[in-house]
Amino acid sequence: AQRVTQPEKLLSVFKGAPVELKCNYSYSGSPELFWYVQYSRQRLQLLLRHISRESIKGFTADLNKGETSFHLKKPFAQEEDSAMYYCALRGTGSTLTFGKGTMLLVSP
Amino acid sequence: KAGVTQTPRYLIKTRGQQVTLSCSPISGHRSVSWYQQTPGQGLQFLFEYFSETQRNKGNFPGRFSGRQFSNSRSEMNVSTLELGDSALYLCASRIEANYGYTFGSGTRLTVV
Repeated sequence: AQRVTQPEKLLSVFKGAPVELKCNYSYSGSPELFWYVQYSRQRLQLLLRHISRESIKGFTADLNKGETSFHLKKPFAQEEDSAMYYCALRGTGSTLTFGKGTMLLVSP
Repeated sequence: KAGVTQTPRYLIKTRGQQVTLSCSPISGHRSVSWYQQTPGQGLQFLFEYFSETQRNKGNFPGRFSGRQFSNSRSEMNVSTLELGDSALYLCASRIEANYGYTFGSGTRLTVV
């Protein structure tokens, strides 16, 4: 079975502070990991894919197979980063298994 | 390029009724997936279709069904609605394997 755990329901930081949204997964094979973001009143959007190894809006995420983690990081948070963030795994087949999500609130 | 379009945006039904939701994927995308989003359970996979064939099905009762047409448009149907079926139903499409999914805005279903 595949599982994604996001331990924090809410993460509140001040503008300019570093951000780390945690994601741990459980999967016996070689997974593909994603981060999706949902801004207020907007649709779910793909933010990052681990195989792309890219930085989007200043966010990065590294797959750590030893710790089965795919934490999302940004060195300096901005108010416009406030949103709901979902970590997702694609394992067997092509379906996505999502974590419960973490709400990021960035205060001025 | 139009995104994933879901209709209707909002729906109110009574218990015991049935409902059909529609999804038009991005042009050229042949894979369509459906997810149910609720505050308690989060995003849960319902089913995936590719070229009119159901490839995967999530852990939902048989009251939930779907299909995909030759133009890749997809519908999902829920029969004998229950209060617990109230949720945001999301459709996502992708061009093929190894690409990310693009999500629609969803259909918010309220069962009263």
